[in-house]
Amino acid sequence: NAGVMQNPRHLVRRRGQEARLRCSPVKGHSHVYWYRQLPEEGLKFMVYLQKENIIDESGMPKERFSAEFPKEGPSILRIQQVVRGDSAAYFCASSFAGTANTEAFFGQGTRLTVV
Amino acid sequence: QQQVKQSPQSLIVQKGGISIINCAYENTAFDYFPWYQQFPGKGPALLIAIRPDVSEKKEGRFTISFNKSAKQFSLHIMDSQPGDSATYFCAVKSADYKLSFGAGTTVTVRA
Repeated sequence: NAGVMQNPRHLVRRRGQEARLRCSPVKGHSHVYWYRQLPEEGLKFMVYLQKENIIDESGMPKERFSAEFPKEGPSILRIQQVVRGDSAAYFCASSFAGTANTEAFFGQGTRLTVV
Repeated sequence: QQQVKQSPQSLIVQKGGISIINCAYENTAFDYFPWYQQFPGKGPALLIAIRPDVSEKKEGRFTISFNKSAKQFSLHIMDSQPGDSATYFCAVKSADYKLSFGAGTTVTVRA
């Protein structure tokens, strides 16, 4: 009974490269959320997706960041032309439904380091 | 803007003691108040949650106290154990999907 799987767990990129973070939700979950955690801070909402749809991307920077959740396969958070300020832990969560009472389960995160 | 303010930033408690973490919010539209526990290198895991129609919820050694009029809620960890050493986040959620997290409290339980 696998939980939310994120890979890679650690990712090192040079400035200007692209980072691709993957998230496989809990089996049967069709709602995916991405959060970013800076050192010693709480998690900040980035984007909410359902299968093939972006529902809310209000927390995502307008440039260089994009997310998708295709019909088949994992959700992908893509960061183009990474900068040092992108270094953070990125967490994916999934839920069965997108309502207030529905528990969201978090993955173990991808720790991105930009050098 | 921060939707929920959490304090203290860190606390140290002796084994067997009580850890208390407080959170305050402004938006009365929030109707779901979870607490998450996070160990180093791991993702947050739901610990306990409360709806605003109750003032207290207890699960084992963990209790949420909720004060709707003051717009505050707190987590009490009774009989704290070294295994409770972690970072705890309060969060708020309105009738949609978006969790807004506090800044976190690092709890250290000394044996």
